[in-house]
Amino acid sequence: SQKIEQNSEALNIQEGKTATLTCNYTNYSPAYLQWYRQDPGRGPVFLLLIRENEKEKRKERLKVTFDTTLKQSLFHITASQPADSATYLCAPSPSYNSPSGNNAGNMLTFGGGTRLMVKP
Amino acid sequence: DAGVIQSPRHEVTEMGQEVTLRCKPISGHNSLFWYRQTMMRGLELLIYFNNNVPIDDSGMPEDRFSAKMPNASFSTLKIQPSEPRDSAVYFCASSFGTGAGGYTFGSGTRLTVV
Repeated sequence: SQKIEQNSEALNIQEGKTATLTCNYTNYSPAYLQWYRQDPGRGPVFLLLIRENEKEKRKERLKVTFDTTLKQSLFHITASQPADSATYLCAPSPSYNSPSGNNAGNMLTFGGGTRLMVKP
Repeated sequence: DAGVIQSPRHEVTEMGQEVTLRCKPISGHNSLFWYRQTMMRGLELLIYFNNNVPIDDSGMPEDRFSAKMPNASFSTLKIQPSEPRDSAVYFCASSFGTGAGGYTFGSGTRLTVV
């Protein structure tokens, strides 16, 4: 069965350091993978998408890598700040077509998330 | 845009009662998703609509759960009868096209069944 693994233990780092979060998946062949941030009491917020033909994607202090051979994505936050403290979720998503032949979009399945705590 | 709007924000109900959760997706988004989140099971996809049509409801746990999308701007998730194990946060999310631009989630409805 399909499985998405993220480190369930919280990651504690010092402000200014680089945080690296891992997402491993099995029995998937995702067309792309998304990362989300979730704060307590709120819904997940989309951060980045990386496609299967991209090795790396950057957005400000965020960097995502995608290794389809290892079936792994790494999510990096450089120069981390206490405001980066949150739970980060990965979501690999295969695309598929509906029986009618129309692209029915992608159904995201989320990993359990990793809680990041950045200490001042 | 006000984003994805869910109501109510909190719901406390007694076991056996009917519960209806509501969602207004972002205007122009043609895909809508209902998720349930618990500490034990994380974020689980319940049902997916595309252009108001249910595409995949394999995540709906039991016949007690049903979802409708009568038009592009409104969806409901109903639980009848509710049970304590249904207690969770229920999220609605919407996206446009293939979802490559990401999903936009609502703030969720925290359901407590006593």
